[in-house]
Amino acid sequence: DADVTQTPRNRITKTGKRIMLECSQTKGHDRMYWYRQDPGLGLRLIYYSFDVKDINKGEISDGYSVSRQAQAKFSLSLESAIPNQTALYFCATSDRGISTDTQYFGPGTRLTVL
Amino acid sequence: GQQLNQSPQSMFIQEGEDVSMNCTSSSIFNTWLWYKQDPGEGPVLLIALYKAGELTSNGRLTAQFGITRKDSFLNISASIPSDVGIYFCAGRENTNAGKSTFGDGTTLTVKP
Repeated sequence: DADVTQTPRNRITKTGKRIMLECSQTKGHDRMYWYRQDPGLGLRLIYYSFDVKDINKGEISDGYSVSRQAQAKFSLSLESAIPNQTALYFCATSDRGISTDTQYFGPGTRLTVL
Repeated sequence: GQQLNQSPQSMFIQEGEDVSMNCTSSSIFNTWLWYKQDPGEGPVLLIALYKAGELTSNGRLTAQFGITRKDSFLNISASIPSDVGIYFCAGRENTNAGKSTFGDGTTLTVKP
């Protein structure tokens, strides 16, 4: 089984709809991240969480919110989806200490907002 | 915030050729990372660099942490078709432990 899973893998929604992307991990890591990837661009950080009670905005948090329901779960919500939020979304996890340099990514969720 | 410039944006090479790509930063990083993303997958870490001047290899891949701490390069020797994918550099500053800034990626195509 994959260590970092994302659901759904693909989602098509309409402008104005609220949607939630979910991420679960079995690696026992404290730190979790949400990124978006657009064609020709790198990964841009949306939100990150260093433990269950810690939530931090990344570089492009506007229009998004997150919830860290447990150490293993970190969900990303779009309260009112808009077309320019069409992108590939990745969840990632990392451990503390020197190995925080290694982020383990999920397989991604492809979101299309019509 | 810091910016990473990764080049080239894309490369089309023949199997067996060597490949070189690099990243430059507007600020100093204390860690440089190189990831590879296969089609339909999330990025996977290839090499992590922790010290200025450090040269590290992982099979046919070699990466270096620039002396100025503002750049890094990745070389792939004797490319093979499975090297196809998007390669990302990422940098991390001291004050943002666990957070990395990513370059825009280099898309590599290898022709058999």
